[in-house]
Amino acid sequence: NAGVMQNPRHLVRRRGQEARLRCSPMKGHSHVYWYRQLPEEGLKFMVYLQKENIIDESGMPKERFSAEFPKEGPSILRIQQVVRGDSAAYFCASSPPGVQTLHFGNGTRLTVT
Amino acid sequence: KQEVTQIPAALSVPEGENLVLNCSFTDSAIYNLQWFRQDPGKGLTSLLLIQSSQREQTSGRLNASLDKSSGRSTLYIAASQPGDSATYLCAVTRGTGGFKTIFGAGTRLFVKA
Repeated sequence: NAGVMQNPRHLVRRRGQEARLRCSPMKGHSHVYWYRQLPEEGLKFMVYLQKENIIDESGMPKERFSAEFPKEGPSILRIQQVVRGDSAAYFCASSPPGVQTLHFGNGTRLTVT
Repeated sequence: KQEVTQIPAALSVPEGENLVLNCSFTDSAIYNLQWFRQDPGKGLTSLLLIQSSQREQTSGRLNASLDKSSGRSTLYIAASQPGDSATYLCAVTRGTGGFKTIFGAGTRLFVKA
């Protein structure tokens, strides 16, 4: 049973470009969470999604950031017009329905040059 | 608003020492509390999960306790080893208004051989 898969592991973008981060949850998990970790800091909650629904996006910046979890395929975190301050590690976690135990992927490290 | 604080921020101990990491949270209405380990440049590994109705959990040399009324949890590591060197994160999941997990900033542990 594969764990949570995130890709790419490393992503380099120039300022103004778009970044697309993918997350495939564990088999049987229908809940996905995205977190951001700045250097030397803890994880900050961004968004919580179920299939085709955004449940809680209170941690998402109001502009340039969006997330989706379609009926088929991985969850996508999209950052438009990236800026240097977006450089961070972005972690995805999944959990099965009704059970709040998080299983994390290895993260995507975004570097904006 | 739930806030999670971890003390100390960093800790350096000689091999073989027993140690305690502390976590405090402001809202006692929690669903569960998890302790994670994060190695540099890697994802998170779940160590122990304590449900809100439980007082403690044990796994090998690790023991975690939970005192909801005082908003505290401790992670006890017995007979520390150099391989225990990592960042330890405490995460609290709220019990109302939907699942959302909030992380502390972590304790960076270094065990000297």
